[in-house]
Amino acid sequence: GQQLNQSPQSMFIQEGEDVSMNCTSSSIFNTWLWYKQEPGEGPVLLIALYKAGELTSNGRLTAQFGITRKDSFLNISASIPSDVGIYFCAGIIYSGGGADGLTFGKGTHLIIQP
Amino acid sequence: NAGVTQTPKFQVLKTGQSMTLQCAQDMNHNSMYWYRQDPGMGLRLIYYSASEGTTDKGEVPNGYNVSRLNKREFSLRLESAAPSQTSVYFCASSEGGGPGEQYFGPGTRLTVT
Repeated sequence: GQQLNQSPQSMFIQEGEDVSMNCTSSSIFNTWLWYKQEPGEGPVLLIALYKAGELTSNGRLTAQFGITRKDSFLNISASIPSDVGIYFCAGIIYSGGGADGLTFGKGTHLIIQP
Repeated sequence: NAGVTQTPKFQVLKTGQSMTLQCAQDMNHNSMYWYRQDPGMGLRLIYYSASEGTTDKGEVPNGYNVSRLNKREFSLRLESAAPSQTSVYFCASSEGGGPGEQYFGPGTRLTVT
């Protein structure tokens, strides 16, 4: 099946810094989703992207659907302590028979030092 | 709106015991999913249901069965639990008949001893 390579695996940053993470694949995706998971909770959908080149913001979060359709990027500006968590990318491929399912990356663990 | 709810939140089983994990959604979504999450493995799809009355295997279906009881409810059953099934289980739902934007429940932490 398809694989998503998410990097970095973990990030240790200072409060107030900007954060960048990405997700890449050898496959072309039709939809990219970004989720955040906090300890003991389920993943929460942050941003959905549907077109190559699309740039979408949700507060201090901005995500982009890569032009090649093989990658996506998530940026967090001016990080705050509540941004701590694991960020997952997920992609969907639609073939002739419909969607082939949702593939998840393994996550980027964001740790913020005050 | 409660979104996606799961019960129980925690469970400890002995090897060979059976149990059913319950999931319900109040968003009138057509599709529902069961995932397991293990350290370093990310989220892996166990089974899904694209609509009421249909179920399909995902990436890791062995040792599990599912029932789409009605549009709201999708249960996951472990007939004979094994230590390898120790994991956190998440239920999710999406509006259409395909994967789409999925909304997750809070999870069930299962330990099999």
